[in-house]
Amino acid sequence: KAGVTQTPRYLIKTRGQQVTLSCSPISGHRSVSWYQQTPGQGLQFLFEYFSETQRNKGNFPGRFSGRQFSNSRSEMNVSTLELGDSALYLCASSSQAAGIRQETQYFGPGTRLLVL
Amino acid sequence: GNSVTQMEGPVTLSEEAFLTINCTYTATGYPSLFWYVQYPGEGLQLLLKATKADDKGSNKGFEATYRKETTSFHLEKGSVQVSDSAVYFCALSSIGANSKLTFGKGITLSVRP
Repeated sequence: KAGVTQTPRYLIKTRGQQVTLSCSPISGHRSVSWYQQTPGQGLQFLFEYFSETQRNKGNFPGRFSGRQFSNSRSEMNVSTLELGDSALYLCASSSQAAGIRQETQYFGPGTRLLVL
Repeated sequence: GNSVTQMEGPVTLSEEAFLTINCTYTATGYPSLFWYVQYPGEGLQLLLKATKADDKGSNKGFEATYRKETTSFHLEKGSVQVSDSAVYFCALSSIGANSKLTFGKGITLSVRP
């Protein structure tokens, strides 16, 4: 089975711009989660989508949004970029269904975003 | 809320040394516990997991036992190799949080030949 893929791998943007990142989960996985990784804050949960619905949300401003398509592919969007948004953005997928003992999450290689 | 505390790093060891990386957690109910590893320039890879008390997860010579009485999930390896140099993250998830993983800060391990 192919793993989780993320595109693009690297991005450079300037303050005020917006960006869209894409994630394709492992085939058959319906849950996609997004995390932000920075040296200062470590790994922080952004949100999770399951069957096209946002099921869980972390503590990030509304500039961070996401969606999931019927084929389980997910995108996240960051509007009005700030310098502090520079980070590695990781996507993870699992076969997690609600109320079931936690299934393993499998991570993609990440998209490294640099905001200048 | 849930939280994970890892020992401070970085850790530098010689090849074939014994490794212990401490991890303790705070969570309601019965979380699942994980160790993930991140090699330079890459995403996270699941190293091992345990889903209930007294379970032992193991993989590639690494082991960790889910200790509910001490709320710990310490990672051990009997003989480290240079190729084990990476960042190690302890994490937990609980049923009420759906797929959300709560991570520790991570610890960098460097193994010298």
